[in-house]
Amino acid sequence: QQQVKQSPQSLIVQKGGISIINCAYENTAFDYFPWYQQFPGKGPALLIAIRPDVSEKKEGRFTISFNKSAKQFSLHIMDSQPGDSATYFCAATLTGGGNKLTFGTGTQLKVEL
Amino acid sequence: EPEVTQTPSHQVTQMGQEVILRCVPISNHLYFYWYRQILGQKVEFLVSFYNNEISEKSEIFDDQFSVERPDGSNFTLKIRSTKLEDSAMYFCASRQGLEINYGYTFGSGTRLTVV
Repeated sequence: QQQVKQSPQSLIVQKGGISIINCAYENTAFDYFPWYQQFPGKGPALLIAIRPDVSEKKEGRFTISFNKSAKQFSLHIMDSQPGDSATYFCAATLTGGGNKLTFGTGTQLKVEL
Repeated sequence: EPEVTQTPSHQVTQMGQEVILRCVPISNHLYFYWYRQILGQKVEFLVSFYNNEISEKSEIFDDQFSVERPDGSNFTLKIRSTKLEDSAMYFCASRQGLEINYGYTFGSGTRLTVV
């Protein structure tokens, strides 16, 4: 019930291409869905987040699409750059409680020149 | 920009030994967390801490684990008798408040290797 499933496990995209990472959740009580970016040797850093009352949120080259009925959300990275090469984690949380994060399994993105 | 600082960055310990992982959260933050990431796996919640007590803990956080904020600035995670399966990256995080606009700030982690 608490799981967040993430795919793909790894992704290689050409520079300038679109990177798409998908997540699915089970617990319908989750009400906040952040994406974290993690570079090697560093902790996860918040990239972008969405609440389930909107279907899309865009910040620069990063867009979250959210499908409440399907219990799915995805991260789109437009015009992918080599500097975007990192591990991306989706997460979900219940804002009413202690806000512990339930993470997906992560996607290693490599953007090639 | 304020940071969460974790020390050491890497610790190797013998199975059965006690380890203490240290964290200095951001100074005006009130909520503190430990997460861990076993190599190649997802980041998992261990424990949250507020007002000098544990507010929530996961099933991973058994009686071999404890947390403390001994001096108002440090936040520590102690593993009493380490096992091989405790080998992981341990992340400390802090937040200013529970409202969702107060995001997590994670430290860079301590890589614990139990041999």
